Amino acid sequence: KNEVEQSPQNLTAQEGEFITINCSYSVGISALHWLQQHPGGGIVSLFMLSSGKKKHGRLIATINIQEKHSSLHITASHPRDSAVYICAPMRGRTSGSRLTFGEGTQLTVNP
Amino acid sequence: GAVVSQHPSRVICKSGTSVKIECRSLDFQATTMFWYRQFPKQSLMLMATSNEGSKATYEQGVEKDKFLINHASLTLSTLTVTSAHPEDSSFYICSARGNLDSSPLHFGNGTRLTVT
Repeated sequence: KNEVEQSPQNLTAQEGEFITINCSYSVGISALHWLQQHPGGGIVSLFMLSSGKKKHGRLIATINIQEKHSSLHITASHPRDSAVYICAPMRGRTSGSRLTFGEGTQLTVNP
Repeated sequence: GAVVSQHPSRVICKSGTSVKIECRSLDFQATTMFWYRQFPKQSLMLMATSNEGSKATYEQGVEKDKFLINHASLTLSTLTVTSAHPEDSSFYICSARGNLDSSPLHFGNGTRLTVT
């Protein structure tokens, strides 16, 4: 069993729909990143969270440390949200903290 | 703008040659940088942890003599793929964080390596 399980692997939505991507992990962590990877390969860290909920624009990330589960939500999805979203739990707290990666969720938002 | 600069973005080389990839933190110091490899349709795989002023820590299965890492300053780490083979063709990407617990994580834009 992978240390990080993401679902769904692929997701197609119509513009405006509410999107949820789930992540379960099996190891103890200090925090969890949600990453966005665009077709060109560049990666952006959307959130780093260790408890509760964070919101940035139309994006919301939640985490339940006890249940080892995190979700990424996108409200009012837009075609420009089309990308691969990767859940990445982190162990350690310093700059040397290591990430483990989920397989990613390919999101396609159609106009 | 980018806070981690990775260069080159694309490189094509012949089998047997070596390729150097640079990763620079532009406005913060990073005692640690990470190098990842990503094959098509797969997730990122950590190759090694680059530590300023000391030897890199390699993940199991990654050959340290083939993937040379040098972290000579607090803002620069380099990955050299030595004696490249076609199976080394991949997307290589680096990441770095500042030294505070709350420091955000930044990724380079990646390097697409093709070995012919």
